[in-house]
Amino acid sequence: SQQGEEDPQALSIQEGENATMNCSYKTSINNLQWYRQNSGRGLVHLILIRSNEREKHSGRLRVTLDTSKKSSSLLITASRAADTASYFCATDAGAAGNKLTFGGGTRVLVKP
Amino acid sequence: DAGVTQSPTHLIKTRGQQVTLRCSPKSGHDTVSWYQQALGQGPQFIFQYYEEEERQRGNFPDRFSGHQFPNYSSELNVNALLLGDSALYLCASADSRSNQPQHFGDGTRLSIL
Repeated sequence: SQQGEEDPQALSIQEGENATMNCSYKTSINNLQWYRQNSGRGLVHLILIRSNEREKHSGRLRVTLDTSKKSSSLLITASRAADTASYFCATDAGAAGNKLTFGGGTRVLVKP
Repeated sequence: DAGVTQSPTHLIKTRGQQVTLRCSPKSGHDTVSWYQQALGQGPQFIFQYYEEEERQRGNFPDRFSGHQFPNYSSELNVNALLLGDSALYLCASADSRSNQPQHFGDGTRLSIL
């Protein structure tokens, strides 16, 4: 079974708009990571946030983590057509490099 | 510097057959994990290899087995294939000495007829 649930399952926006997706998980974690997957390809690591962090930025990405609610959000600002992909959150209960437990993903379509 | 490479990229098998998938980790990485991703779902952890031994295992039957070689490359073997084994199989590698995230390959698409 999967640890996380992602919301929404699918998202369609216009280029230039912001995209927000949420992830909830069930057990204690060491860190939470977000990955992007283009159709039929492997996963690309986007950002890692540790359990003692509340917010992290990387370029147009902003991730928040609320361990009391066991939830995280990923915000992509000023979206581009190239951001079209599936986005997955993954939790790690141990040190980085250990087993990752993924959510079901959010499919994002950015229309030009 | 090559990243994680997997072979083959696509494979078609029939029920009951056996399959072997291969993975070469990113240079400098010594830990390899395997994930199964069914269509439209998130990846599920199968197992992880470190120092040529299975270190962690997910909720997969014994039909799924693996191996890690001295050069850190790895194989995933699946016996007695079922229709439900159709999926994208992803390999991820990491450096056990660092706290950096795993790197994923592009996967092997396995179709069972």
